Amino acid sequence: QIHLVQSGPEVKKPGSSVKVSCKASGYTFTYSYLHWVRQAPGHAPEWMGWITPFSGRAIYAQNFQGRVTFTSDRSLSTGYMELRSLRSEDTAVYYCAKFSVDNSAFDVWGQGTMVTVSA
Amino acid sequence: QSVLTQPPSASGAPGQKVTISCSGSSSNIGSNIVNWYQQLPGTAPKLLIFNNSQRPSGVPDRFSGSKSGTSASLAISGLQSEDEADYYCSAWDDSLNGLWVFGGGTKLTVL
Repeated sequence: QIHLVQSGPEVKKPGSSVKVSCKASGYTFTYSYLHWVRQAPGHAPEWMGWITPFSGRAIYAQNFQGRVTFTSDRSLSTGYMELRSLRSEDTAVYYCAKFSVDNSAFDVWGQGTMVTVSA
Repeated sequence: QSVLTQPPSASGAPGQKVTISCSGSSSNIGSNIVNWYQQLPGTAPKLLIFNNSQRPSGVPDRFSGSKSGTSASLAISGLQSEDEADYYCSAWDDSLNGLWVFGGGTKLTVL
């Protein structure tokens, strides 16, 4: 069975950075696409971008370019999302999601990581 | 303001049928497939419908999707209490450098 398990909740100060991890199991992590989506309280999901663990190539949504970095460790089957220069508007649940090329959809999601940005 | 437009709420009695609409444009729904996600309270979204109308294994056939032009819809028949959740449509948008967009979500209440 395919699982994505994310790291625990974080509380950060404005201006700082946060790094969220996402450990995959049950499928070939290397030859996959791992996406990141965030959801602010009471709001719709917002797509942040994706990374291909095989090559390390990452694509970022324009809203986050320059402030976010996706990385992966193939030996650990783990993806990471680092967001910098945090502001209160970044308070949200951050999800990793496996992308199914066959179905062109996010078919498995992590449980989410709550990131709270507060002074 | 979400790129895809959904009604904020919908409701129906157990056993009834409910339809949720999703309106987009030529750069998203008009030229790409639509997916639907169900989000139960306090949980991650779950893929409900992909490629406009296909169901992943395990999703009951009470759930169906369709697309026409720049709009899509999700129908839920034989409503059950466990269907009470938020529903989001999503599509790839070809504008800018390309991005996945979501609807604002529809909160379904089973009366």
